[in-house]
Amino acid sequence: VRLVESGGGVVQPGRSLRLSCEASGFTFSSYPIHWVRQAPGKGLEWVAVISYDGSKKYFAESVKGRFTISRDNSKNTVFLQMNSLTTDDTAVYYCVCSPDWGQGTLVTVSS
Amino acid sequence: DFVLTQTPLSLPVTPGEPASISCRSSQSLFDSDDGNTYVDWYLHRPGQSPQLLIYTLSNRASGVPDRFSGSGSGTDFTLRISRVEAEDFGVYYCMQRLEFPHTFGGGTKVEI
Repeated sequence: VRLVESGGGVVQPGRSLRLSCEASGFTFSSYPIHWVRQAPGKGLEWVAVISYDGSKKYFAESVKGRFTISRDNSKNTVFLQMNSLTTDDTAVYYCVCSPDWGQGTLVTVSS
Repeated sequence: DFVLTQTPLSLPVTPGEPASISCRSSQSLFDSDDGNTYVDWYLHRPGQSPQLLIYTLSNRASGVPDRFSGSGSGTDFTLRISRVEAEDFGVYYCMQRLEFPHTFGGGTKVEI
């Protein structure tokens, strides 16, 4: 199983960023995919999940209305669209298909 | 949302000695529909991705040594390490996945 996140970087407050998670080594279309983040010096925070077929999506209150999640099962990829970013969104973002985690991608929101 | 409170925040240990971490949930994590209790435990070592140790209260994940065990019921849970080894140092988290949004405890740092 391999999960590879990409799309992180430095972005100004109020702007948007899209993260990708490309999976391999398992039947991607059969499993839900989660995003979990860790802000600097803080603990783990569950962010969002998308069901195996994309029909169900759930979000943490802290990102509801600003983040969306989608998947392309033909490309074994999940996307996290992050809008109206604030400095509180600065974190390493992990893609998770339990029990496996990606290596994470760093998002820094700063002016 | 479910609030998970871990104690202690920091746990000094000596290799070879036992250790335990507590996790208390604001609501029961027992699912009466299937009889499972949906609490998991993770270890996050510095510079690595978190690793699943225990799932659904007391099941060890693949490859996890048997010195790790999970127990508890309802709202109170415990992760035990029978004999701490050098590779066990890091931050431990409990997580509930009974309902969305899933939530993590605040973490317990196990250190020498």
